[in-house]
Amino acid sequence: SAVISQKPSRDICQRGTSLTIQCQVDSQVTMMFWYRQQPGQSLTLIATANQGSEATYESGFVIDKFPISRPNLTFSTLTVSNMSPEDSSIYLCSSLAGGVIYEQFFGPGTRLTVL
Amino acid sequence: GQQLNQSPQSMFIQEGEDVSMNCTSSSIFNTWLWYKQDPGEGPVLLIALYKAGELTSNGRLTAQFGITRKDSFLNISASIPSDVGIYFCAGHPPLGIGSASGTYKYIFGTGTRLKVLA
Repeated sequence: SAVISQKPSRDICQRGTSLTIQCQVDSQVTMMFWYRQQPGQSLTLIATANQGSEATYESGFVIDKFPISRPNLTFSTLTVSNMSPEDSSIYLCSSLAGGVIYEQFFGPGTRLTVL
Repeated sequence: GQQLNQSPQSMFIQEGEDVSMNCTSSSIFNTWLWYKQDPGEGPVLLIALYKAGELTSNGRLTAQFGITRKDSFLNISASIPSDVGIYFCAGHPPLGIGSASGTYKYIFGTGTRLKVLA
């Protein structure tokens, strides 16, 4: 299994500012993803972080608002730009172990509150 | 985006009781995963299923990959207070179906919230 860490674990930010969330996996992984989750709700995929190329965004999410980097096979960042209170949520990093068996693991999440 | 339907949405049970929940889809899947999420934590993978009809156990948890490939079930035997949390299923369609980019993306269920009364 993959062990995933995220920083920061939580933050309170002012409207109009940006926050970058870091995700570190303890082993090289094929795929990394970023999700958003409202407390008590299901997970919504924001984008797939592609190593060495632009991220692939899901419908309703755009690069200008959620720029993503993935410089190598173990690390990715998600930036939430020009934040508004509607961006308050839990942001989760995830990775696929790859190989023949595809098991998806999650980080502990970053709880973001925008005032 | 597409979501899987989980049932029940929430349940209250007495400690020691067995629990059953399911996840259904209108289309077939090749893989099913079951997760548990505690408050303030990320989802933790409990069981992975890869073949129709497969029955897999992890301690007191047992999950099954439905033979129609459109559903999956999770059972918890002799529940204890620490079983409290939200349980999510996740399914993946056959590659080339529902994943236009060719990437491996799971579709997540709506969640079943479990509360155990001591």
